[in-house]
Amino acid sequence: EPEVTQTPSHQVTQMGQEVILRCVPISNHLYFYWYRQILGQKVEFLVSFYNNEISEKSEIFDDQFSVERPDGSNFTLKIRSTKLEDSAMYFCASSEGASSGNTIYFGEGSWLTVV
Amino acid sequence: RKEVEQDPGPFNVPEGATVAFNCTYSNSASQSFFWYRQDCRKEPKLLMSVYSSGNEDGRFTAQLNRASQYISLLIRDSKLSDSATYLCVVFDSGGYNKLIFGAGTRLAVHP
Repeated sequence: EPEVTQTPSHQVTQMGQEVILRCVPISNHLYFYWYRQILGQKVEFLVSFYNNEISEKSEIFDDQFSVERPDGSNFTLKIRSTKLEDSAMYFCASSEGASSGNTIYFGEGSWLTVV
Repeated sequence: RKEVEQDPGPFNVPEGATVAFNCTYSNSASQSFFWYRQDCRKEPKLLMSVYSSGNEDGRFTAQLNRASQYISLLIRDSKLSDSATYLCVVFDSGGYNKLIFGAGTRLAVHP
């Protein structure tokens, strides 16, 4: 079964540093997403991306965050000047289409620890 | 009121038991609903969609009550491998293919 792959699986960073989380969505998918899950809490939507631009973003996704599709395969989440509260599991996801009938597939996640 | 609310559990049941999870959602305009399963420190995986007429997939049955804004998941003949957190998820039709997750209900099946 095709899958969404993410790197790194775990990253520890100093507060104030910049972090880039990388994702390779499923190859024929057109819609890409980032979600995050703080330990012990629910999965939260961050941003959706289509046709090389942000379609929607949540309140969490402020100026500290940015996304990019630098080439035909990668989709990245950049977190500038990380804070302790950015420690979470970040899930990349992708889907073929935007309707509810299109399953959203999640990657295994990148666990970010800010110290 | 939370957008998607679930009993956090945990539900501790013996193998073979039947267990039911409930979920309520706040947006009456919501149209699409799902149950996801999440193992510890893993990604959410789609378990099943929830249809108005109710639907069954093997040992799993999902029900939707639009009037009460209530969704349920029934697991029959529980297996040890069913131990996980079950996430009630609502598709935000006002958003761009955005999923709204409940906090999840933890299930522990013991021998």
